[in-house]
Amino acid sequence: AQTVTQSQPEMSVQEAETVTLSCTYDTSESDYYLFWYKQPPSRQMILVIRQEAYKQQNATENRFSVNFQKAAKSFSLKISDSQLGDAAMYFCAYRSPTGANSKLTFGKGITLSVRP
Amino acid sequence: NAGVTQTPKFQVLKTGQSMTLQCAQDMNHEYMSWYRQDPGMGLRLIHYSVGAGITDQGEVPNGYNVSRSTTEDFPLRLLSAAPSQTSVYFCASSYRGGAGEKLFFGSGTQLSVL
Repeated sequence: AQTVTQSQPEMSVQEAETVTLSCTYDTSESDYYLFWYKQPPSRQMILVIRQEAYKQQNATENRFSVNFQKAAKSFSLKISDSQLGDAAMYFCAYRSPTGANSKLTFGKGITLSVRP
Repeated sequence: NAGVTQTPKFQVLKTGQSMTLQCAQDMNHEYMSWYRQDPGMGLRLIHYSVGAGITDQGEVPNGYNVSRSTTEDFPLRLLSAAPSQTSVYFCASSYRGGAGEKLFFGSGTQLSVL
């Protein structure tokens, strides 16, 4: 079974600075998808970024980018120019390529605070 | 465009009571699912559906029933609530359930079972 580990329960960053959130996973599959979801205090789950394992190029979405290291099974999220609105819980998630029959496996999440 | 709508947002039950959490989506998505979120844990899949009339179990299905009579609706039923079912419940949908598809989440239902 796949597992997703987010070992840092909390992190803090100064506004306008850059922060990196760590995630590691364990799988025996060669093809899969990885996601970062944001959950602000409103409780809404918001997709931040996704990465397909067979694509070597790291995904980017505006101020958000990932460092995907397939051999190391590492998938970190970098937030540049941090904003107060980035304060939230962030979840790393894994999904195998079998589609509807496969579930999203989530890590325990990391709480990010942004200092003004 | 409402997206995924969950009702109610908050609910308090007594042990043994039954209730239904409602979920509706207006995006004509084939795939719908229910997750629960417990403190210090990520979301875990309860049940999912790949279309009207088709449902299947997820990771933690015990104590929950689902049905999918229409494309739009996917209610989650608790037949006899237990304190262990105190959690935040999320409904999520996607176009066809492909592994790389974006999941659209509802705003969640916070359930307390006393």
